[in-house]
Amino acid sequence: SQTIHQWPATLVQPVGSPLSLECTVEGTSNPNLYWYRQAAGRGLQLLFYSVGIGQISSEVPQNLSASRPQDRQFILSSKKLLLSDSGFYLCALAGEAYEQYFGPGTRLTVT
Amino acid sequence: SQQGEEDPQALSIQEGENATMNCSYKTSINNLQWYRQNSGRGLVHLILIRSNEREKHSGRLRVTLDTSKKSSSLLITASRAADTASYFCATSDYKLSFGAGTTVTVRA
Repeated sequence: SQTIHQWPATLVQPVGSPLSLECTVEGTSNPNLYWYRQAAGRGLQLLFYSVGIGQISSEVPQNLSASRPQDRQFILSSKKLLLSDSGFYLCALAGEAYEQYFGPGTRLTVT
Repeated sequence: SQQGEEDPQALSIQEGENATMNCSYKTSINNLQWYRQNSGRGLVHLILIRSNEREKHSGRLRVTLDTSKKSSSLLITASRAADTASYFCATSDYKLSFGAGTTVTVRA
């Protein structure tokens, strides 16, 4: 079965610092991968999705970027964090029938 | 993108009661999905209903879809404390578009 790992689980970073969040998946190959952000008490906002190595589509113009250096690795980055980047970041992969499977998430607090 | 909107925003029920929440969307869909999120955790896929289906069951969950009204409902029967969570509907084409969710609290 498919497993999604995310780390770190929690992160507190000062404004202006860089960011790197990692997502790795097991039990599948060539998955479609997604990064979402969830603000407190809100729904999910799709940030990026990837259909393969080096292929990234951005949904929302922002301070973040994503990369997919390996088939089962998806990285979310920022050069300089803003306060508004705080939130719960979720990585997901697509199943065979449009459903998505989510990782445990990373809670980012920018101070 | 087509965003689902859940109603009500919050729901509090007694253990053993049924919980019903609704989802409305704006344009034609291929399918609609429901997810559950326990506090501070990732989302868990509950059920997918295709546009040509009207009703679907999974355990204590019942989902209906009315494409003429562009709406769906999720019914949780005989609720348990473990059903306390936020529930999201999502419409999909090549990506999912989520609503803000319904927060369900089941009181013991």
